[in-house]
Amino acid sequence: DGGITQSPKYLFRKEGQNVTLSCEQNLNHDAMYWYRQDPGQGLRLIYYSQIVNDFQKGDIAEGYSVSREKKESFPLTVTSAQKNPTAFYLCASSPVGGNEQFFGPGTRLTVL
Amino acid sequence: GESVGLHLPTLSVQEGDNSIINCAYSNSASDYFIWYKQESGKGPQFIIDIRSNMDKRQGQRVTVLLNKTVKHLSLQIAATQPGDSAVYFCAENSQNSGYALNFGKGTSLLVTP
Repeated sequence: DGGITQSPKYLFRKEGQNVTLSCEQNLNHDAMYWYRQDPGQGLRLIYYSQIVNDFQKGDIAEGYSVSREKKESFPLTVTSAQKNPTAFYLCASSPVGGNEQFFGPGTRLTVL
Repeated sequence: GESVGLHLPTLSVQEGDNSIINCAYSNSASDYFIWYKQESGKGPQFIIDIRSNMDKRQGQRVTVLLNKTVKHLSLQIAATQPGDSAVYFCAENSQNSGYALNFGKGTSLLVTP
């Protein structure tokens, strides 16, 4: 089955620790995206990548970092510099220029 | 920056009725407008999109209307079913932003029997 996966589904971390969220897709999509969703809110763009080894900051990139070493993978690191990291994190992929972004199931990060 | 927003945060309809979810936008440079459905605890799912040079587009039980004069977008769901209960987001993208989506805050649709 083709799709996009995120792991883990739930993640708990202590304040001050960096944490990396996984996102993998086997849809052969060039573009990948990371969004953050807070309760009762829409999705806000953190980072996006349109090609391997290249990525751009979104609207709320501060305190986050990404890498795109492989087409299939786009991991997101939430650093200790992120002031309010507790949120639902969603990864998506699409063909470059495509309107239909395919979303993963999300990772709910809770920082204690 | 430019914003995409919704008129109503919640909408309750009876099963079988038609639903209309509204959205306002401000970015005149948007190339496409897209509607997503998000069920609780899951990622959003694509419903339908409309190009900025179109006024109307129909899918299965859904119709999207675009009024560029007043920068308004709506999603109409015919014969609403309990499985339609979810949060609906409008989003816009443009080539200028690398086709990343700019989402509105969402409308919660509750379908009652």
